[in-house]
Amino acid sequence: AQSVAQPEDQVNVAEGNPLTVKCTYSVSGNPYLFWYVQYPNRGLQFLLKYITGDNLVKGSYGFEAEFNKSQTSFHLKKPSALVSDSALYFCAVRGQTGDSWGKLQFGAGTQVVVTP
Amino acid sequence: SQTIHQWPATLVQPVGSPLSLECTVEGTSNPNLYWYRQAAGRGLQLLFYSVGIGQISSEVPQNLSASRPQDRQFILSSKKLLLSDSGFYLCAWNRLAGGYEQYFGPGTRLTVT
Repeated sequence: AQSVAQPEDQVNVAEGNPLTVKCTYSVSGNPYLFWYVQYPNRGLQFLLKYITGDNLVKGSYGFEAEFNKSQTSFHLKKPSALVSDSALYFCAVRGQTGDSWGKLQFGAGTQVVVTP
Repeated sequence: SQTIHQWPATLVQPVGSPLSLECTVEGTSNPNLYWYRQAAGRGLQLLFYSVGIGQISSEVPQNLSASRPQDRQFILSSKKLLLSDSGFYLCAWNRLAGGYEQYFGPGTRLTVT
């Protein structure tokens, strides 16, 4: 079975500083990985995905993520955070086998707080 | 382009009352459809998914049921709500074959009193 862990409950960063949100995964086979963002009382918005190819994936709103197979990680990054980036971020992995095939397993979420 | 709608946006219902939440997708055909619940806090729990009309898979035994009467319509129902049914309900879709990412609707906030 696949799983995904977001080890930080909350990340605090000052506006203009780099932002990193951590994610590690466990999956049988090649991982299909995703990042989503959720603003209060809204649905999740898709940011980016890794399926295959370059380990550095670029997504929406200036976000990017680095896939590291040896460390089974897929950390989300932004070079310069904005106050408007304050939101809840979810990492997800797609199931590849058995009953989990095709379903997304989400992490618990990381609250990002960007202070002016 | 594709859009996904959910209604109502908010709902307050007494314990024991019925429930019907609706989700529709526009701009695509034969999507996979999903219902999630997000309890207070954060975690997303997959409740049901559907790969076609009348095809529903349930993930967790519970007080809820789902139906897919049309290709792009997905309905979440309950005959008698429990307090524990309170939460934020999210509908999502993705293509039968393609990029695998799911796209989410705006959600329905359900409070059972």
